Amino acid sequence: QQQVKQSPQSLIVQKGGISIINCAYENTAFDYFPWYQQFPGKGPALLIAIRPDVSEKKEGRFTISFNKSAKQFSLHIMDSQPGDSATYFCAASFGAAGNKLTFGGGTRVLVKP
Amino acid sequence: DSGVTQTPKHLITATGQRVTLRCSPRSGDLSVYWYQQSLDQGLQFLIQYYNGEERAKGNILERFSAQQFPDLHSELNLSSLELGDSALYFCASSARQGLEVYGYTFGSGTRLTVV
Repeated sequence: QQQVKQSPQSLIVQKGGISIINCAYENTAFDYFPWYQQFPGKGPALLIAIRPDVSEKKEGRFTISFNKSAKQFSLHIMDSQPGDSATYFCAASFGAAGNKLTFGGGTRVLVKP
Repeated sequence: DSGVTQTPKHLITATGQRVTLRCSPRSGDLSVYWYQQSLDQGLQFLIQYYNGEERAKGNILERFSAQQFPDLHSELNLSSLELGDSALYFCASSARQGLEVYGYTFGSGTRLTVV
């Protein structure tokens, strides 16, 4: 079963707060876990990605935490800004970025000023 | 500008009609992917082409077909359109299969409305 479950569906956070989005997957053959950010009227844009041999990856205010045994990974957005208001998708694939992505359902994040 | 160009941006057509969506991948990318995004189904993978050949097929209806041309641009053909086909259709490209570095680059999508 190639499913990726994402929660919550929506999230409201105050400016400067931390946004946390969680994803769980079933297929242990997945070996590439990207996060995408999508603004209204635009296509998803790659934000950050991780491989299962790494437990955490940080890029600026964005951090992925990966728990291989629990088959879960999460995105933390530190010091959330109004410009971070967007829909975030987690995804998973086999064979790194060259193969099809299975997406989570998306989380709509609203950062209040 | 992501480098992936999709045309048209918007399309309104009647049920039963046929439309063609076009995608030009980022320069140098050999793989093209098509995804459908609807409110109730999220982002669903339709089909992948690599250097002109079909590589993977997802939840693509028989009424839909795609191809990738020698210049690497791709077209998604949707026929006998139904109201439920109304959605955003995204094209994405990546450099080569099996390479992680570049990931996917998505276009801005074609919004299809079937009336």
